[in-house]
Amino acid sequence: DQQVKQNSPSLSVQEGRISILNCDYTNSMFDYFLWYKKYPAEGPTFLISISSIKDKNEDGRFTVFLNKSAKHLSLHIVPSQPGDSAVYFCAASQGAQKLVFGQGTRLTINP
Amino acid sequence: DAGVIQSPRHEVTEMGQEVTLRCKPISGHNSLFWYRQTMMRGLELLIYFNNNVPIDDSGMPEDRFSAKMPNASFSTLKIQPSEPRDSAVYFCASSLSGSPKGEQYFGPGTRLTVT
Repeated sequence: DQQVKQNSPSLSVQEGRISILNCDYTNSMFDYFLWYKKYPAEGPTFLISISSIKDKNEDGRFTVFLNKSAKHLSLHIVPSQPGDSAVYFCAASQGAQKLVFGQGTRLTINP
Repeated sequence: DAGVIQSPRHEVTEMGQEVTLRCKPISGHNSLFWYRQTMMRGLELLIYFNNNVPIDDSGMPEDRFSAKMPNASFSTLKIQPSEPRDSAVYFCASSLSGSPKGEQYFGPGTRLTVT
């Protein structure tokens, strides 16, 4: 049973436009949600997180939105840049310890 | 400021051999995690430690896998005997428990190939 799901394996976006990556979860006990970015042959790199008491968190070009009633979160990147091309993982935890990851979405930014 | 250090970066071994993966967490972090990434199962948590004590090893696939954390700056993940299905990328991550963002910092991973 996959508790965290990223239903889009890949996404292609034009440079300068908005990239929207989506993630759904099933466990209502999750209270932290995180996004990681991964380049080939490297470990995942932390991008941004949000706790369940908030519905939005912003950091520069990155914004995460949380809809608890729908058990859905999304990552918005605007404007998208070529360096944003990577695999993005959504993760969730209970008590900010044990992370459960989604399968990842490969984002490609086209010039 | 050094990040999480893992060694070796690549390991190729024959079925039946013992494999030891090593991790040095970020100095000052008190939680350490071992993950495995495969095409079929994605990124899955194997075991994690708080203050050098194993807290949850429910992700360890079977008795062939064992992990230790003898001190705050070193951990090992051992597979004995190794099997071809253990081929994967193994990541170590560390964090400071209670961090407001809940983030973990990952090492570059060890790519294990068992033939």
